[in-house]
Amino acid sequence: ETGVTQTPRHLVMGMTNKKSLKCEQHLGHNAMYWYKQSAKKPLELMFVYNFKEQTENNSVPSRFSPECPNSSHLFLHLHTLQPEDSALYLCASSQDLLGNQPQHFGDGTRLSIL
Amino acid sequence: TQLLEQSPQFLSIQEGENLTVYCNSSSVFSSLQWYRQEPGEGPVLLVTVVTGGEVKKLKRLTFQFGDARKDSSLHITAAQPGDTGLYLCAGVSIYTSGTYKYIFGTGTRLKVLA
Repeated sequence: ETGVTQTPRHLVMGMTNKKSLKCEQHLGHNAMYWYKQSAKKPLELMFVYNFKEQTENNSVPSRFSPECPNSSHLFLHLHTLQPEDSALYLCASSQDLLGNQPQHFGDGTRLSIL
Repeated sequence: TQLLEQSPQFLSIQEGENLTVYCNSSSVFSSLQWYRQEPGEGPVLLVTVVTGGEVKKLKRLTFQFGDARKDSSLHITAAQPGDTGLYLCAGVSIYTSGTYKYIFGTGTRLKVLA
């Protein structure tokens, strides 16, 4: 059982589509993260939010737009994506950014761009 | 740029064999975490090591943090098919602001054959 839920689990979209990924955490955490996981590459940190404020944008293209309306929810809005954006997108949460804490991951959204 | 290299990248062994996975960097980390990711799921934290030279045991898994806090190893004794998965190390660094940053390794994909 995971305290971090991601939807949808799978998404296939064309390059001109607009879609959103959703993440919800039930752990009472204040920090949330988006990661991209591609084959043969390390987990790439995309965005970090702490108490709803974005604290890190790891040079992510503007076709990815994050939104954090509250500490429990995190969205990743997608538009005009490229084939190289096909990957597993993982959401994670932690208590906050001030301690040496574990990150709790969701099971990811497998995204395929046609 | 901080990098964490894991070796080997892939490992296929028979049930009952022992194995060691390495996580190396030229950077010093305040701590290091090990995660396991099973197919179709997100990474799950196994252990955090904090002190240089620290050794932690989790059943058949033994984790060691290097004396200089730049590297770590994971040793599995008598591997079982249930150990199959992607093993990720994550180095934790502290920003001058006091917030923490996680750098993930390249991963070791382990398959244990029955």
